Amino acid sequence: QVQLVQSGAEVKKPGASVKVSCKASGYTFTSYDINWVRQATGQGLEWMGWMNPNSGNTGYAQKFQGRVTMTRDTSISTAYMELSSLRSEDTAVYYCARDVPKYCSGGRCSRAYDYWGQGTLVTVSS
Amino acid sequence: DIQMTQSPSSLSASVGDRVTITCRASQSISSYLNWYQQKPGKAPKLLIYDASSLQSGVPSRFSGSRSRTDFTLTISSLQPEDFATYYCQQSYSTPPVFGQGTRLEIK
Repeated sequence: QVQLVQSGAEVKKPGASVKVSCKASGYTFTSYDINWVRQATGQGLEWMGWMNPNSGNTGYAQKFQGRVTMTRDTSISTAYMELSSLRSEDTAVYYCARDVPKYCSGGRCSRAYDYWGQGTLVTVSS
Repeated sequence: DIQMTQSPSSLSASVGDRVTITCRASQSISSYLNWYQQKPGKAPKLLIYDASSLQSGVPSRFSGSRSRTDFTLTISSLQPEDFATYYCQQSYSTPPVFGQGTRLEIK
């Protein structure tokens, strides 16, 4: 069965960096993009970016440009999200999600996140 | 960026009720609209994709529809396990913005 298993909770000081991992199993890791979404306590879902595990290509939300880096290690089917220059507002649960094409027509595909990791709480506090 | 506006932000209902949640896109997104359910402390779960297609394993009491830039998630007969927060998301363009969420509570 498809699973995305994320690394454990982290506590970081302002200005530090955090690297969250997302280990995939039950499918071919390089076949589908991985997206990262975060959620501050009591708040909604915020998209951070995507990564193609096959090519390593990435795309980031403008808000996180220059602070986020998404990478992967295909030998262990694991995706990573590193966020730098942490501030208190970055305290949130970070999710990885498998991004699959659903319906394709005319070169465009609809997409959806069909499997999610369990989430990783990152707390930024001095 | 495309904006997604959900309404209501919260809703109280009883088991057995029919419930409707709406999501409006700020511009045309065709049918590139997903619905997710999230329970406290859990990751979101995909319910509906392409505005009206039911994800595998999701009960048939969930349905989705589209009228131009307005999208609706309907739960035909609420079950106790349906009390959760629901999010819409557009997949038409990057960034794939989520709505702000609708919290469905027990009356």
